Formats: sequence, C-alpha cells, structure tokens
Amino acid sequence: GDSVTQMEGPVTLSEEAFLTINCTYTATGYPSLFWYVQYPGEGLQLLLKATKADDKGSNKGFEATYRKETTSFHLEKGSVQVSDSAVYFCALTTGDSSYKLIFGSGTRLLVRP
Amino acid sequence: DGGITQSPKYLFRKEGQNVTLSCEQNLNHDAMYWYRQDPGQGLRLIYYSQIVNDFQKGDIAEGYSVSREKKESFPLTVTSAQKNPTAFYLCASTDRGYEQYFGPGTRLTVT
Repeated sequence: GDSVTQMEGPVTLSEEAFLTINCTYTATGYPSLFWYVQYPGEGLQLLLKATKADDKGSNKGFEATYRKETTSFHLEKGSVQVSDSAVYFCALTTGDSSYKLIFGSGTRLLVRP
Repeated sequence: DGGITQSPKYLFRKEGQNVTLSCEQNLNHDAMYWYRQDPGQGLRLIYYSQIVNDFQKGDIAEGYSVSREKKESFPLTVTSAQKNPTAFYLCASTDRGYEQYFGPGTRLTVT
C-alpha cells in the first residue's frame, strides 16, 4: 500500500542554519504531497503542498519539490529560526475520493539560539 | 472565524468507561476525519465520513465508534473495548479538496 518515510529526528540546528528534512513516498497513481507542522500541544497546520510532479510548494521560507523520479518531497529552509522548532510531518493523499491522508512518522526540529 | 473545534482539550477517564470526544466544524466541509497520534508516531486514521449519515472505518477502527447526524459534527466514542485508549486525538475536515484542516486536538488519558 501507499506509505511515507521520513528521516528520524530529532534534528537539532543552530539559528540561521540550513534545514533539510528528507521524505520519500511509495504510491500507486498520482498522489498529492504535503508538509504539515505541529507546534507543542496543538493540531496540525498545513505548511505547503504540491499536487503534481515538478511542482514546488513554498511557504514562510520553507520549500519542497515534488520529484517523481526519486519519489521524494524533501523539506528545506535556508535559515531556520527558534520559532521553527516543531514536529514536521510529510503526507500524501491516496488520490481516491476519500481524500485520506497517509502520514510519515514525523521529524522533530529543535532550533537553538 | 471558520475552523474546527474539539472539546475538551484534556480528558481523563477510568478504565472501562466509554468516553465521547467532540468535533465541530463551521467550514461547511463535507468530509471529516478522526486520527490518533501516539508519541513519536505519525497520525493513524480511525474513521472518516464523506457525507451525513455515512462513515467508513480507517486503519485502526477497533474499539471506536462514530456518528454523523449533522454536517457540522462528527463525535468519536472511545469504548471500553479499546485496549490502549490513552492518546492525542485529532479531528480534521476537507471540502473534497486536497487540504485537510485540523482541530487543536483532545488529549485523552485513561487510568
């Protein structure tokens, strides 16, 4: 079945460092891909999305490109801030009418001042 | 403001009791979802509903039940049959699109 694999955390960076969180997927058909962010004790917020191959999603300085050839959707940010500390989830939709999301296990990011 | 509300934020129950978690949305979305989140794990789908009076099991439906009598509401009951009910429960909705909107979650502790 469809699945999402993320790099394990925690990822600890200093402020202004470059961030990459790897995400690869397995899917039949043509899924849409997402990055969600979860701050402590809260629900998930959509960070960015891409609906077809070669699309680049971007938001708040974060970017991810839908790479069909490598089945990847890696999250990047050029300069992280302490306020970016959170758990990041990669996810895909199954592409059927249920719009179900399949999530990776999440990657905790800790940014130190 | 449109959004999803879940109540309460924290819930404590004794083992053997059923408990119902509330989820309400005013986004006019057709589809609603319940997920369970355990520490260090991703979200797992419990139940979902694409239309009023209809719902389907997700990957971990055993020990849970739902109803969808109104478009705005999708309550989840954690029954005494659920072996490990302590978790963070998240409700979400979507308007047949690609983005799911999430509520703030309910943390359930069963002792």
